[in-house]
Amino acid sequence: KNEVEQSPQNLTAQEGEFITINCSYSVGISALHWLQQHPGGGIVSLFMLSSGKKKHGRLIATINIQEKHSSLHITASHPRDSAVYICAVRGGATNKLIFGTGTLLAVQP
Amino acid sequence: EAEVAQSPRYKITEKSQAVAFWCDPISGHATLYWYRQILGQGPELLVQFQDESVVDDSQLPKDRFSAERLKGVDSTLKIQPAELGDSAMYLCASSLGGRKVDGYTFGSGTRLTVV
Repeated sequence: KNEVEQSPQNLTAQEGEFITINCSYSVGISALHWLQQHPGGGIVSLFMLSSGKKKHGRLIATINIQEKHSSLHITASHPRDSAVYICAVRGGATNKLIFGTGTLLAVQP
Repeated sequence: EAEVAQSPRYKITEKSQAVAFWCDPISGHATLYWYRQILGQGPELLVQFQDESVVDDSQLPKDRFSAERLKGVDSTLKIQPAELGDSAMYLCASSLGGRKVDGYTFGSGTRLTVV
């Protein structure tokens, strides 16, 4: 069992829909990151969370430390949001990132 | 906005040849990471530097891979000789490091194809 699990693995949405991607982890962490990667591209850091909620434009990220769970929400989704969204947690002595398996999002016009 | 610079963006090389990638982290970032991402998989940490010192290279195939960060600023990752299975995206990231839990910044990556 992976230390960081994401769901769903694949998600297809219509433009304008509200999207939620979930992340659960089983290790103690110092922070959780939400990352975005377009096909063939590099990785962009969207959020770093250690508690509560953060908002940036149409993106909202929440974390519940007690439940070891985080969600990434996209409001009013757009085809340019189509990408792989990766949850990664920092834990252990070296603060190494432990990556989830990613969620492939396709937003159709 | 500050960026992590990587070059080249793409590299095609023949197997058994040597190949090198370069990364320039954000100014002031003490911690530098090299990741390898095989198509369809998550990134795998190859090596982590704190300033010029290696903190973690447990997943680095040391028979063919080497990494250095001589002055604690930019870094080079080398593969010699390259093998077909080395085809992947090589990502560099940096962070302030130390006790502060800060955000990672990733570079755009170098996509390596070994033929």
